Amino acid sequence: GENVEQHPSTLSVQEGDSAVIKCTYSDSASNYFPWYKQELGKGPQLIIDIRSNVGEKKDQRIAVTLNKTAKHFSLHITETQPEDSAVYFCAASIAQGAQKLVFGQGTRLTINP
Amino acid sequence: KAGVTQTPRYLIKTRGQQVTLSCSPISGHRSVSWYQQTPGQGLQFLFEYFSETQRNKGNFPGRFSGRQFSNSRSEMNVSTLELGDSALYLCASSPWTVSPGANVLTFGAGSRLTVL
Repeated sequence: GENVEQHPSTLSVQEGDSAVIKCTYSDSASNYFPWYKQELGKGPQLIIDIRSNVGEKKDQRIAVTLNKTAKHFSLHITETQPEDSAVYFCAASIAQGAQKLVFGQGTRLTINP
Repeated sequence: KAGVTQTPRYLIKTRGQQVTLSCSPISGHRSVSWYQQTPGQGLQFLFEYFSETQRNKGNFPGRFSGRQFSNSRSEMNVSTLELGDSALYLCASSPWTVSPGANVLTFGAGSRLTVL
């Protein structure tokens, strides 16, 4: 089955700097890659996603890149702000059919003022 | 538009008991999935329901079960609770259409179960 590895497990950056979180997946059939942000006491919230027919997607300060050949995808957050502090999860799945996401272990991002 | 609603938010049980958790999906969403979140194992898929049918199941013992009602609301049940079942149980709903761009999961805040 699919396996998703996420690095780093913790990341601390200065406010205004960029943060990058990387994930690799094992199943070449996976074609949907969402990123979720989870704040304390809340459920994961989708922040951006990408499908395998796209190499990069951007939404304001957040971007995701996908390399299907290498089976890895990354989340980039620019101009970080204190409210970006949270745990971020990457995931992979086959978009059609059953909605089974396989998650990475998470990255705790801390933005230092 | 109301989000995914899970009840109860917190509960404490003892070993051997059973528990039922409830999930109301976003209006119009027909697919409901359940995930278990623990510090050690992270987020793990339990099962997914669509039109009252279980379409996929994760690698959990038979003590974990679920169902979906005709109004898309879902419940999950854990019988004979063990200490290791202590976790945040998350429900997610999806519109599940055949359109490739529509199958996005929206999560609820979760039900935190503590087993003593």
